[in-house]
Amino acid sequence: NAGVMQNPRHLVRRRGQEARLRCSPMKGHSHVYWYRQLPEEGLKFMVYLQKENIIDESGMPKERFSAEFPKEGPSILRIQQVVRGDSAAYFCASSPRPSNEKLFFGSGTQLSVL
Amino acid sequence: GQQVMQIPQYQHVQEGEDFTTYCNSSTTLSNIQWYKQRPGGHPVFLIQLVKSGEVKKQKRLTFQFGEAKKNSSLHITATQTTDVGTYFCAANTGTASKLTFGTGTRLQVTL
Repeated sequence: NAGVMQNPRHLVRRRGQEARLRCSPMKGHSHVYWYRQLPEEGLKFMVYLQKENIIDESGMPKERFSAEFPKEGPSILRIQQVVRGDSAAYFCASSPRPSNEKLFFGSGTQLSVL
Repeated sequence: GQQVMQIPQYQHVQEGEDFTTYCNSSTTLSNIQWYKQRPGGHPVFLIQLVKSGEVKKQKRLTFQFGEAKKNSSLHITATQTTDVGTYFCAANTGTASKLTFGTGTRLQVTL
């Protein structure tokens, strides 16, 4: 039973490019959460999705950031026109039920913007 | 919005010493979870506390949920180098859809 799979593990982009981060939740999990972590800091909630629906995007910047979790395929976090301040580790987590259950985290994607 | 604060931010202990991290919320929590993140790794779930005054143990780790359900603590007895990492508490209220993580306590253990 594979865990939460994130790819790529490392992503390098130049300012102005687009970054696409993918997350496949654990089998049987339909709830996906994205968190951002800056070096030596905590985990900041970005967005919570169920299949085909965004449930809570209160932590996601209004501009340049978007997320989806289609019926088929992984969840995607998209960052358009990246800036240096977007450099961070982005973690995806999944759960079989809403978030009063424990979360299973992926290994994260380290985004570096040059 | 709901904030969850942890203290201390960082602690350095000698192997064999005890360690405690505290988590405080301004609002009453429906439950609280604890996670550990090793350096360079991802958060891993440790435990969930639900009841007022609840105490749970996992080997050398003792977790406690306050009577008012506004604070929690994690105590490690006789630390080992394998305990190195950052410990996060996380919580949501009964109606919140997201898990809010505390600021974390980074533990360093040396021989």
